[in-house]
Amino acid sequence: AQSVTQLDSQVPVFEEAPVELRCNYSSSVSVYLFWYVQYPNQGLQLLLKYLSGSTLVKGINGFEAEFNKSQTSFHLRKPSVHISDTAEYFCAVSWNTGFQKLVFGTGTRLLVSP
Amino acid sequence: DTGVSQNPRHKITKRGQNVTFRCDPISEHNRLYWYRQTLGQGPEFLTYFQNEAQLEKSRLLSDRFSAERPKGSFSTLEIQRTEQGDSAMYLCASSLGLADTDTQYFGPGTRLTVL
Repeated sequence: AQSVTQLDSQVPVFEEAPVELRCNYSSSVSVYLFWYVQYPNQGLQLLLKYLSGSTLVKGINGFEAEFNKSQTSFHLRKPSVHISDTAEYFCAVSWNTGFQKLVFGTGTRLLVSP
Repeated sequence: DTGVSQNPRHKITKRGQNVTFRCDPISEHNRLYWYRQTLGQGPEFLTYFQNEAQLEKSRLLSDRFSAERPKGSFSTLEIQRTEQGDSAMYLCASSLGLADTDTQYFGPGTRLTVL
């Protein structure tokens, strides 16, 4: 079955430190990859997406992610986090089934402290 | 562009009652999706519409669940004879539908609590 794994349920980090949130998925056959952020009591907001081309993708709020086909990974990074980055982050994959059915990971809570 | 809206934002009901949620997508978005998110989990796909046609349904969508999009604009999700296991956040998303790579824009969700 197609699956998405986010091994870290929670990542604590100090403000201005770098952070990496990990995402692995089950199959590398023709995938589209996404990272969404969810702030409390709000819907999901797209941070970035990989469809094709360059494996390094830049998104909003200074985030970037790198697609690694051989390791079936799509880790999210930010070189310097802010308090306002505290939120839940979801990795999602679409296996090009003719429409965009997103399969989500269980999420990683990023906790940024001063 | 006012974004995807969902109503109500919160719903508390007793087991066995029927509930209906509404989703208004971004105007001119042809595709509409429903997802369910339980505590500590990521959203799970329930169903998908292309205009008014319901083209895909997850096995999670039991026969107590029914979704409609009668005029290809807003959509409703009805749960009949609710059970405590139905307690979750129900998320709606929409996309342009011009390509399979279109971004899905999510609404704020409807939180259902079944007592």
